Amino acid sequence: QKEVEQDPGPLSVPEGAIVSLNCTYSNSAFQYFMWYRQYSRKGPELLMYTYSSGNKEDGRFTAQVDKSSKYISLFIRDSQPSDSATYLCAMSARAGGGNKLTFGTGTQLKVEL
Amino acid sequence: EAQVTQNPRYLITVTGKKLTVTCSQNMNHEYMSWYRQDPGLGLRQIYYSMNVEVTDKGDVPEGYKVSRKEKRNFPLILESPSPNQTSLYFCASSSLGQGGGYTFGSGTRLTVV
Repeated sequence: QKEVEQDPGPLSVPEGAIVSLNCTYSNSAFQYFMWYRQYSRKGPELLMYTYSSGNKEDGRFTAQVDKSSKYISLFIRDSQPSDSATYLCAMSARAGGGNKLTFGTGTQLKVEL
Repeated sequence: EAQVTQNPRYLITVTGKKLTVTCSQNMNHEYMSWYRQDPGLGLRQIYYSMNVEVTDKGDVPEGYKVSRKEKRNFPLILESPSPNQTSLYFCASSSLGQGGGYTFGSGTRLTVV
């Protein structure tokens, strides 16, 4: 069993929809949770970074962590065609750059006009 | 512009022919890492470096070598490439002080025939 599980999709939604992307994990040591966005033929870019349980909002994006369920989510409000990308969750047991990240396999999202 | 630069972007080579993929960052980051990305397997760490002359194996180091002689550069060396090393490769860097987010390069798509 993988440490981090993520539905690969593809997920197709109409423009303006609320999108929910999710990951589950098995390692209870994970404390730091990230979401990366990866456009086609590009490297991943950091979208959201959260610590422990709770919510964090940044514009149209909300990251949610439920450590008791080992479940994290990324919500995208008012989705746009420019949000079409692959979204990767990532987790780490310790803070600070240089600590190993464990990635999900990514969910491919397509937002259609 | 702060960035991680990889070269080449695309490479087709033959089995056994040594090759080097270069990676350079201009952010004075201490930490650098190589990943490979394969469908269904996600991002897997090959090697990482905490600073100059300090390197260590990641999860899938077999068949790869790295060196870190300068802080900005972290080349990935395939001494004798094999077809199972056909993949999309990413270099990433991070400051040891920042909160876990990596900056990724744009990727190198390697095909070994």
